[in-house]
Parts: sequence; structure tokens; C-alpha cells
Amino acid sequence: GAVVSQHPSWVICKSGTSVKIECRSLDFQATTMFWYRQFPKQSLMLMATSNEGSKATYEQGVEKDKFLINHASLTLSTLTVTSAHPEDSSFYICSARGLARKSSYEQYFGPGTRLTVT
Amino acid sequence: AQTVTQSQPEMSVQEAETVTLSCTYDTSESDYYLFWYKQPPSRQMILVIRQEAYKQQNATENRFSVNFQKAAKSFSLKISDSQLGDAAMYFCACQGAQKLVFGQGTRLTINP
Repeated sequence: GAVVSQHPSWVICKSGTSVKIECRSLDFQATTMFWYRQFPKQSLMLMATSNEGSKATYEQGVEKDKFLINHASLTLSTLTVTSAHPEDSSFYICSARGLARKSSYEQYFGPGTRLTVT
Repeated sequence: AQTVTQSQPEMSVQEAETVTLSCTYDTSESDYYLFWYKQPPSRQMILVIRQEAYKQQNATENRFSVNFQKAAKSFSLKISDSQLGDAAMYFCACQGAQKLVFGQGTRLTINP
């Protein structure tokens, strides 16, 4: 139980285009979802926190106009990277917390999405 | 706010031996949780073990156990009978009311 999926797992896009990444909680309702970014050989850095039905809270230094987050339902959050540039290439990981069977404080992680901007 | 420090960028251990990964943390919150995550080459984050800060007893999960020293803000992970499948990046993490903060990670290599 407490499974989180991400789609796509790998995406390549051209510089200047936008790309959307989906994060879904498959067997529980996620009241809160988190988006992380991980550069090669580095740790996970929190980008933003989103609660269902309200605006996302972005971490300091994260451009909210560039990384659009929508948490429209209790099972789906999306991250849209707008006007992507090569420096946005990274591994993006979502996690979800909510009414899972195991616990209410633990985050459950998706498998990640590798974004390459050419 | 929390900070998490892992001072060992890399560790190696002989198969079947025991290894301990270090982690220290700092938090201003009275209610928090500590975790060790494993990230294999697939990059999927896998929960290894969790510790509620209000519990004094050290958590154990099969071959994995922690040494939780609350006063010293230390949370080390001991892996017993190391197996080749244990090779991965290991992240220590601290969760407060809002955020989960990760340490820098320790790359664990298992020598056959």
C-alpha cells in the first residue's frame, strides 16, 4: 500500500518549451504533496509543498512562475516546468503524505522523472 | 527548521560484515521524526527505518537498526550482515511539522 506514481519517467524537451510531470497517489488520498529536485550525486532539495485545493508554498530561491504546481485533487499533483532551459535538466521526485494506511506523517515517494532539456 | 549532516560521503564494507553510517541533526521542533532512506541506482527512494523522536527505544528492522541519541542529536544506522543488495546511497532525514530535510548522503559500497 501507499504507492505513488510519476509520469513520465524520462522526458526530453527542447529549450523554450514547457513540460508537465504528473504525480499520483494510487491507493490513498494525499492531502499534501511535495516536489523535490535532485542533481547528480547530490541530495534531494525541496522545491515546494502543495495542499489539495490551495496554492503551493515554494522554497526560497525557487521561481514560482517557472515551476507551476497544481494540486487539483487528493490523488494528483502536477509540476509544469515552463520555458525550460538546459539548467533545468535534473531529476524531479514527488512525494505524498495523507490518509495512508501506515501513518499520517510519513511521505511516500514516487519513482522520479528525469528531465533533459536540449 | 531542521538541518541534517552526514559526515561520511563514502563508506565501504566487506560482505557479511557490519557497517555504521553516521548522522547528526538539529531542529527547533519538539515533535519530529527521523528516517533513513536508501536510494539504489534506480533512484527510487526506499524507506529503510523510521524513529519517532518521542520514543526512547531504538528502532530495528531486520538487519537494520539505529542508535538514537536524542540529547546528542545523533541518529546512526547500523547494517548487520551486509549484502550486495545493500549497495546504494543512504540518506538520513528529519521531518518536522512541515518539511522533510535530507542529509548530503553516504554512498555505501559492499565488497564481495
